[in-house]
Parts: sequence; C-alpha cells; structure tokens
Amino acid sequence: LAKTTQPISMDSYEGQEVNITCSHNNIATNDYITWYQQFPSQGPRFIIQGYKTKVTNEVASLFIPADRKSSTLSLPRVSLSDTAVYYCLVGPVQAGGGNKLTFGTGTQLKVEL
Amino acid sequence: DTEVTQTPKHLVMGMTNKKSLKCEQHMGHRAMYWYKQKAKKPPELMFVYSYEKLSINESVPSRFSPECPNSSLLNLHLHALQPEDSALYLCASSQVQGTVNYGYTFGSGTRLTVV
Repeated sequence: LAKTTQPISMDSYEGQEVNITCSHNNIATNDYITWYQQFPSQGPRFIIQGYKTKVTNEVASLFIPADRKSSTLSLPRVSLSDTAVYYCLVGPVQAGGGNKLTFGTGTQLKVEL
Repeated sequence: DTEVTQTPKHLVMGMTNKKSLKCEQHMGHRAMYWYKQKAKKPPELMFVYSYEKLSINESVPSRFSPECPNSSLLNLHLHALQPEDSALYLCASSQVQGTVNYGYTFGSGTRLTVV
C-alpha cells in the first residue's frame, strides 16, 4: 500500500484559499487518491476522489500531476467551519468492493477570523 | 437514505461484559468496514466485509468478533475487553460501480469506554 505524507498542521484565515499537499511516491497504477474531512468525535466525511489531472466538485478541487506522486487538495475561501483534520488516502479499488484504505496521520487545519 | 447509522452512540462496559455495536445502512452498499480510532490518531482498519463475507481481518484480537447478518447490517461483538480498547469505533460502507469506488460513508461512531 502506498504510504502518504502530509503536513501535520496548517493555519489559515477566513476567506483564504487553502492548499494541502499529500506526497505518495510509491503510488501504484491502480491506486486512487481520496480525501476525507473529520471533525472531533465524528466519522470522516468523503470530500473528493481522483485518479489523474484535476477533479472538482462543489466543495473542493483535487490536483494530481502527471507522475501522480503527489496530490493537492484545494479548499476555496475557507470558513471557521472548515477547521478539521484532512486525510489523504491512496489505495486500490476492487470491483467487488472491500478495498483496503489506510489512513495516514492527516493534516489539522485551523481557520481563524 | 444516505447515512450509516451506528448504535449506541456511547457505551460503558466492564471487562467481563459482553456487548455489541450495531451498524446499519440502506444505500445498497455491498462493502462494510469497522475502524477503531484513539484520541488524536487516525482511524485504524479492523475488518472489511465484501458481499457479506469477511474479506479482511487486520489481525484484530479475538475479543472483537464481527458479524454481517445481511447486506444492510454489520455488528461488532465485544467480550472481555481491556481498558486500552476504549476508543471511538467507526463503521463505514462503500458502493462500487464498475471498478470505481466513490468513497466511504462513515457513521458517527460509538464512543466505547471499558472500565
């Protein structure tokens, strides 16, 4: 399984764009990159998933360079409610489900006024 | 229904007790998972069920016994736990379309305290 490396923590202010980068140098050909958000005492919440290039949804964008050895989660115009831990996960997807995704240490994002 | 429901939300049990955690989803997901999360640590995978069959056991002690009675329900039976087993236990499910997994849906967890 590909190991991921993220910054332990990041600080930002409301209204700013936040970019969290994840390094996954030994990503495999069939691995996808998935990001989750977790608030204290709650389960992680799926944010975005991608394989290559750029993926965008209503809450975030995911940038993946051609070599796929890293990825960047971009949160536009963050607010106080975006203060949470963000996890980057890399792992294979199997047609029958039951894939084994392992959480890394995550990035604690703190947003201030 | 787009949720994973876990019950109970909080559980306090003695080391000689037997208790069960319950997880339910009605999204038609065919993969279900148990994770354990200690304070300020990432979730750790315990078990994976795929199409109601146990596919992954991450060398979890036998005092934790998973069960998947049907495609919507996942249980975790607890027996003779230790205080260090106190943690947030998270259930998750995922769907598969073709070969793409669209991510896990997690429940809010059961906060377990072993005394």
